[in-house]
Formats: sequence, C-alpha cells, structure tokens
Amino acid sequence: DTEVTQTPKHLVMGMTNKKSLKCEQHMGHRAMYWYKQKAKKPPELMFVYSYEKLSINESVPSRFSPECPNSSLLNLHLHALQPEDSALYLCASSQERVTQTQYFGPGTRLLVL
Amino acid sequence: RKEVEQDPGPFNVPEGATVAFNCTYSNSASQSFFWYRQDCRKEPKLLMSVYSSGNEDGRFTAQLNRASQYISLLIRDSKLSDSATYLCEDKFYFGSGTKLNVKP
Repeated sequence: DTEVTQTPKHLVMGMTNKKSLKCEQHMGHRAMYWYKQKAKKPPELMFVYSYEKLSINESVPSRFSPECPNSSLLNLHLHALQPEDSALYLCASSQERVTQTQYFGPGTRLLVL
Repeated sequence: RKEVEQDPGPFNVPEGATVAFNCTYSNSASQSFFWYRQDCRKEPKLLMSVYSSGNEDGRFTAQLNRASQYISLLIRDSKLSDSATYLCEDKFYFGSGTKLNVKP
C-alpha cells in the first residue's frame, strides 16, 4: 500500500466555521507533512511531523492547528479562516525526514467564503 | 525566500523531441533533490530522486551539478502524456515549476 489518503476531497466553509482535514497513510512512514498550494504556484510547506512530534512550523498562522494522533494519522484543524486561505491542502509522508522521498495524497480543495 | 528557482516555461515541443529543464538551488549543503510531475488539479507525483551520481529511468535522466548548484531533468523522445508541470524540490522547498506542452 503506497497510498496517502485525504478527506474530504472538497470543503467549503465560512469564516466563522471550524473544520478539520484528515490525512492517513499505512506505509509505516514516520514523517508527515502539510503543504498549501495556490493555483499556478508550487506547494508551500506548512508543518512537518517527525515521529509524531511537530518538528517544523513554517510560521503558519494559528488559525491552522496541526495534530498527529498517531503515526498513521495527521489532522489539520481550521478555525476562523480567511478567503485568501482558499487553496489545495496537500498531505505527504516519507519514511523518515532524512530520506525525504515524499508521497503525496490527492489533496483537499478548500474554499473559504 | 527563493531556495529553488526554475524557468516557468512553458516549453512547447513536438512529440519525439528531447527537452531539458534546469533548477538552481541556493543551499550549498543540500545533498538530495527530487523531481516531481504535477498534472492540472492533481497532486505532485515523484518522478526521480537526484543524488551526486545522477539518476536515469527510461527516457528520463536527472543530473546534479554541485559546482554550479543546479539540477537538470532531461526527457528524451517526448510523448504527449509527458505534458505536465515539472517541479524540483530541495528539502521541502519547491521550485515554481516548469510547464511542458508536448504537441502532436
């Protein structure tokens, strides 16, 4: 199983809503990542988890809150988002941070109204 | 912060052509790099990793030039299905991507 799954595929939310994005992998990978990708731009790193601990936070606003409940799951909790947060949110995993070969999930396309 | 830079293209080439993309990086300590392809509205998919010895997989060849701090991707005998955006990555930082259009 070389798949990273993400739910939901699409999400529309208002600026006062609270929602969560979910990412799951069963490859035994110990590093997981959140990226944000705007149209016609490359993915931008948001967070890195290594062995279920947050190791990198790329100065992401606190309205984005990551959580790694176990080695297979990664969540991104969203609260009080702005319309400019609308983007494709990609989750990725790799065996460890050092190896870096990342496998991406299909992403959640988020629209904030 | 521009860790990695790429020519955005687009590169418009006929089927069967050979095309090469370069990607320059700023961190001289970087050890490994990756090329991904990304189709419209899809996630990036790993194409090749690039270490000091380069890498070849069928029609695709990736090279690393440490002296000039760039990596390259060469695609031989281009197919219509190669049309995509090609992204290079250096330790979680992606270049802006190079768009390739292969025409019949």
